[in-house]
Amino acid sequence: GENVEQHPSTLSVQEGDSAVIKCTYSDSASNYFPWYKQELGKRPQLIIDIRSNVGEKKDQRIAVTLNKTAKHFSLHITETQPEDSAVYFCAASRGDYKLSFGAGTTVTVRA
Amino acid sequence: SAVISQKPSRDICQRGTSLTIQCQVDSQVTMMFWYRQQPGQSLTLIATANQGSEATYESGFVIDKFPISRPNLTFSTLTVSNMSPEDSSIYLCSVSTPDRGRTGELFFGEGSRLTVL
Repeated sequence: GENVEQHPSTLSVQEGDSAVIKCTYSDSASNYFPWYKQELGKRPQLIIDIRSNVGEKKDQRIAVTLNKTAKHFSLHITETQPEDSAVYFCAASRGDYKLSFGAGTTVTVRA
Repeated sequence: SAVISQKPSRDICQRGTSLTIQCQVDSQVTMMFWYRQQPGQSLTLIATANQGSEATYESGFVIDKFPISRPNLTFSTLTVSNMSPEDSSIYLCSVSTPDRGRTGELFFGEGSRLTVL
């Protein structure tokens, strides 16, 4: 099955700085790559996603890049704010509606 | 989008007992999934709940341990059988909203936090 690796496991940034989280996947047939944010005690929620026919996607302060050749994708958060503190999960899907999740990155934004 | 209600939200269970978690969705959905999230860990897919047929289980999960029902397009249950402390986890129901036949956003319930003593 699909194996998704995520780094780093924890990330501490100063408010206003950028945060970058990287993921690699093993299955070249994967074609959908979402990112989920999970605040403490809450359910995971989709923040951005990208499909394999696109190299980059932006939504305000967040962006995702995809390198199909290298089988890796990254989440970029600019101008971080305290409310960005959460656990972020990357995931990959082969198009069978199932998601394989990375191990998660705990992001802490220091005021 | 989809609004998902899960019951119970949390429970403390005794070793050897079984507990059934209910998941109710506010609209008819084809794809329902059950995930497990162990403390401080990632989300692991247990099974896909198929309406009108047997659930499809992922490697490492079996029907005898995690029986699933899917009586209609808005409801599913997951039973955790013969529980041990290793089953202490958050169990999350989720639904998929296919995007023009492609994998789409997953919506999650708030989870059921089980503690097994």
